[in-house]
Amino acid sequence: KQEVTQIPAALSVPEGENLVLNCSFTDSAIYNLQWFRQDPGKGLTSLLLIQSSQREQTSGRLNASLDKSSGRSTLYIAASQPGDSATYLCAVLGSKTSYDKVIFGPGTSLSVIP
Amino acid sequence: DGGITQSPKYLFRKEGQNVTLSCEQNLNHDAMYWYRQDPGQGLRLIYYSQIVNDFQKGDIAEGYSVSREKKESFPLTVTSAQKNPTAFYLCASSIALAGDETQYFGPGTRLLVL
Repeated sequence: KQEVTQIPAALSVPEGENLVLNCSFTDSAIYNLQWFRQDPGKGLTSLLLIQSSQREQTSGRLNASLDKSSGRSTLYIAASQPGDSATYLCAVLGSKTSYDKVIFGPGTSLSVIP
Repeated sequence: DGGITQSPKYLFRKEGQNVTLSCEQNLNHDAMYWYRQDPGQGLRLIYYSQIVNDFQKGDIAEGYSVSREKKESFPLTVTSAQKNPTAFYLCASSIALAGDETQYFGPGTRLLVL
């Protein structure tokens, strides 16, 4: 059964620092992987979606990479800002035929200190 | 503006009471989902619906029920059989069942037991 973990559970960095968030999954046979942002008490906002055939995706200051063979994805945030403070979750989809189920990690809570 | 709305933002349940959480979307999406989020855990799928008048159980459907009488609405009822209902409930939708399509999330409902 697919398991998704995110380490660390919480991270605090000073403003302007570049940082990396990690996501690990136990079954490398995934269809795609997605990164979300969740603000306190709010719903999730999709940040980046990486298909299994892709190595990375970029959007602004965000870059997500995917290494299926090692069961890892990283979310790189450049020049962090206080507004980046939120919980970041990754989610994997096993196959297109299991498109009803997306497995979420527990999230990393990020605090960017001004 | 298109989007997903959930109401109420906070909901209190008494012992033995059934409560219903509302989820409405005007994105013209066929697929809708209900997730439960507990502290320190990833989201877990309760029910999902591919199309009107169709819905399927997710990982933790026991103690919950849903209906999908209209495309834009997917209410979730937390029944008295659900012994530990305190959690943050998130509704999501996508154009079709999540495969290549990203899920869009509502703002969530926090359910508390009195």
